[in-house]
Amino acid sequence: AQSVTQLGSHVSVSEGALVLLRCNYSSSVPPYLFWYVQYPNQGLQLLLKYTTGATLVKGINGFEAEFKKSETSFHLTKPSAHMSDAAEYFCAVSEADYKLTFGKGTLLTVNP
Amino acid sequence: GAVVSQHPSWVICKSGTSVKIECRSLDFQATTMFWYRQFPKQSLMLMATSNEGSKATYEQGVEKDKFLINHASLTLSTLTVTSAHPEDSSFYICSAEPAGGLSGDTQYFGPGTRLTVL
Repeated sequence: AQSVTQLGSHVSVSEGALVLLRCNYSSSVPPYLFWYVQYPNQGLQLLLKYTTGATLVKGINGFEAEFKKSETSFHLTKPSAHMSDAAEYFCAVSEADYKLTFGKGTLLTVNP
Repeated sequence: GAVVSQHPSWVICKSGTSVKIECRSLDFQATTMFWYRQFPKQSLMLMATSNEGSKATYEQGVEKDKFLINHASLTLSTLTVTSAHPEDSSFYICSAEPAGGLSGDTQYFGPGTRLTVL
């Protein structure tokens, strides 16, 4: 069975600082990996995804993530945080059955 | 592109009544739609997978008679919470997987429906 662990339920950074949100997964087959962002009282918006090919994936809003099979990780980064990045971020994994399994989420706070 | 809408965005109902939530893919066809439930400050939990023209597949622990799902067309799935009780209060989110896409690839999410049962 697949699972996702997001280290840190709350991450706080200063505006302009590096954002690093951690995600580790377990999967019995090569996984598809996703990062979603959720703003208050809204649905989820896809930031980026990894399916096959290049392990460094670039997404919207300046975010990127790197698939590291040896570490079973898919950490999300952004070089410079913006106030508008404050939101809840979810890492998710799916296998061949297309069901998404989500991590518990990381709340990102950006301080001025 | 790839917009999913939900209606209503929020609903308040009395205990014992039924509530229907609609999920529509606006600019693509979706053979598969998913229904999730999210409790405050928690992650999304998959409730069921809905396939057009067939019965929904429910996750373990989800009462199929309480959460009725109908996927009548390639752009519409509905979730009906029957005989709602306060413990059913939650944020319900649907997602849709475009037809013809790779299985397990991207799901597009609706904005969610906030259900409050009094």
